[in-house]
Amino acid sequence: SYELSQPPSVSVSPGQTASITCSGDKLGDKYASWYQQKPGQSPVLVIYQDTKRPSGIPERFSGSNSGNTATLTISGTQAMDEADYYCQAWANSIGVFGTGTKVTVL
Amino acid sequence: QVQLQESGPGLVKPSETLSLTCTVSGASISGYFWSWIRQPPGKGLEWIAYMSDSGSTNYNPSLKSRVTLSVDTPKNQVSLKMTSVTAADTAVYYCARAVGNTYFFDSWGQGILVTVSS
Repeated sequence: SYELSQPPSVSVSPGQTASITCSGDKLGDKYASWYQQKPGQSPVLVIYQDTKRPSGIPERFSGSNSGNTATLTISGTQAMDEADYYCQAWANSIGVFGTGTKVTVL
Repeated sequence: QVQLQESGPGLVKPSETLSLTCTVSGASISGYFWSWIRQPPGKGLEWIAYMSDSGSTNYNPSLKSRVTLSVDTPKNQVSLKMTSVTAADTAVYYCARAVGNTYFFDSWGQGILVTVSS
């Protein structure tokens, strides 16, 4: 079965850049999306089709996808960005989520 | 603005069937794919299955033998049934709408916690 791996945690200082990776076999051949989940809340879409931001998502969120790795980048990280982040892709029409990364803003 | 609301029992006994309904408001279920996704307490997200209004379905292979999805277009509802549940099925269950030609999840319900316990 297809798997997506993420680092369990990423720490970042306010105003700095946080990068969250998502690794999977030939992930660059698929489209990746990213979801932010704060404690007790439902996930929220922050990036779709590798690089696109939904309406209402701040410009500091950006994405890329190439080779075996998709990356979510948060530039100028704010305290409100502290959350769990999950990547997601489709493999043979089966939905797969990454293992999740907890972003801590120190 | 589309809204999704999961409903169903919050407690199910082991070996019994879990039944949940997702009621969609603010948009028709026609033309979209609807997924169920779950999250065990303190753990990550797991995709369960999707279904379109036309009946096209696909299931997570690890759950396929126990899961059935159905759609009630007049009621704008999508339902999930999971048989022979165990404690490992205890989770928050979300319904979500998948859109676009790459099927990203743009709308999620608030989720419903289902506990499997006697």
